[in-house]
Amino acid sequence: NAGVMQNPRHLVRRRGQEARLRCSPMKGHSHVYWYRQLPEEGLKFMVYLQKENIIDESGMPKERFSAEFPKEGPSILRIQQVVRGDSAAYFCASSPITGPSYEQYFGPGTRLTVT
Amino acid sequence: GQQLNQSPQSMFIQEGEDVSMNCTSSSIFNTWLWYKQDPGEGPVLLIALYKAGELTSNGRLTAQFGITRKDSFLNISASIPSDVGIYFCAGQLRGGSNYKLTFGKGTLLTVNP
Repeated sequence: NAGVMQNPRHLVRRRGQEARLRCSPMKGHSHVYWYRQLPEEGLKFMVYLQKENIIDESGMPKERFSAEFPKEGPSILRIQQVVRGDSAAYFCASSPITGPSYEQYFGPGTRLTVT
Repeated sequence: GQQLNQSPQSMFIQEGEDVSMNCTSSSIFNTWLWYKQDPGEGPVLLIALYKAGELTSNGRLTAQFGITRKDSFLNISASIPSDVGIYFCAGQLRGGSNYKLTFGKGTLLTVNP
């Protein structure tokens, strides 16, 4: 069983450019979560998606950030007009949410650096 | 919003020693999860706890879900060098649309061989 896949692993963008981060959940998982981790901090929830639906976006910044999980293909976290403060590690997690198990399994992350 | 206090922030121990770390919350959770993160990698799930009072083991790891549902601890027995890393607790409410994890700030564990 392949785990959660994220790409790219490292992404460098200049201020004002767009960043696109991709996440493919584990096989059989249809729920995706995005988290952001600043240096020496815990992970902060951003958004929870199911196929073609945003379920909880309470952690998403109001501007420049968007997420989708289309019927086909990976989930995408999009950051428009990046600023230095967007530099962080972005992690995707997936879960099946079937039966009693609600554990979330994380990908290796995308490290975004804004120069 | 909910906050998790995780302690200690860091620990330096000798190989073979036991380790204990804990998390407390300002409000209740229905699930507690413990993760380990190595540098440059994503968190790896170690133990999941679903019921207040539950005690669960995974090899040398033991975790408990506090009876008040506001705390959890993780014990590692007979530590080995590969236990080095950052350990995170995470709480989850579960229900409706609320499945997000709230994380502590982590405990950095260093094991001296």
